[in-house]
Amino acid sequence: QVQLQESGPGLVKPSETLSLTCTVSGASVSSGDDCWSWIRQTPGKGLEWIAFIDNRGSIYYNPSFKSRITMSADTSKNHFSLKLNSVTAADTAVYFCARRRVDLGNHVYFDIWGRGTLVTVSS
Amino acid sequence: DTQLTQSPTSLSASVGDTVTITCRASQDIANYVNWYQQKPGKAPSLLMYAASNLQSGVPSRFSGSGSGTAFTLTISSLRPEDSATYSCQQSCFTPYTFGQGTKLEIK
Repeated sequence: QVQLQESGPGLVKPSETLSLTCTVSGASVSSGDDCWSWIRQTPGKGLEWIAFIDNRGSIYYNPSFKSRITMSADTSKNHFSLKLNSVTAADTAVYFCARRRVDLGNHVYFDIWGRGTLVTVSS
Repeated sequence: DTQLTQSPTSLSASVGDTVTITCRASQDIANYVNWYQQKPGKAPSLLMYAASNLQSGVPSRFSGSGSGTAFTLTISSLRPEDSATYSCQQSCFTPYTFGQGTKLEIK
């Protein structure tokens, strides 16, 4: 079955870049109709959708993050990545990767999630 | 952005009860609402998509309804394992947004 696993540093200094990778097993990041997303969860704002990448490498961003993030996919390693620069304490969150699916009625939902990884921004 | 407001913020119910959680949208989102269950320390898990479609493997005790700006998630015959936080999410407009969550405690 499809599984996702986040990895990356758990501690990032303010003003630096947060880098996370999501490794996909049981599916390909470069084929099919699936898209691959990042979502984060903070105590204050709850769940926030960050961005997703489709199988052609096109990326769709939440405007709240657009100026600070880079998302990419590595088909040889079957993983996708997130970079969030100029981080502050407000970026402290649990970061999830998730599969984005669309049904025939164009309803979008996130049906498979990684376990999440806590990233703390602190000096 | 489309705001989703859930009520109540928290509730407590007994095994066997039926509970209803409401999600209200700041604009018309047709039936583009999904519901997730999240247990402490775990990722959200999809329960329902397109307002009323049960995700594969989810018990039929869970049901959803609504359209436009008001949606409900109903859980009947509550079981201890239903203790969790439930969140709605809209996909009618980007950015996709989530409700703040409703914490359900089973007494």
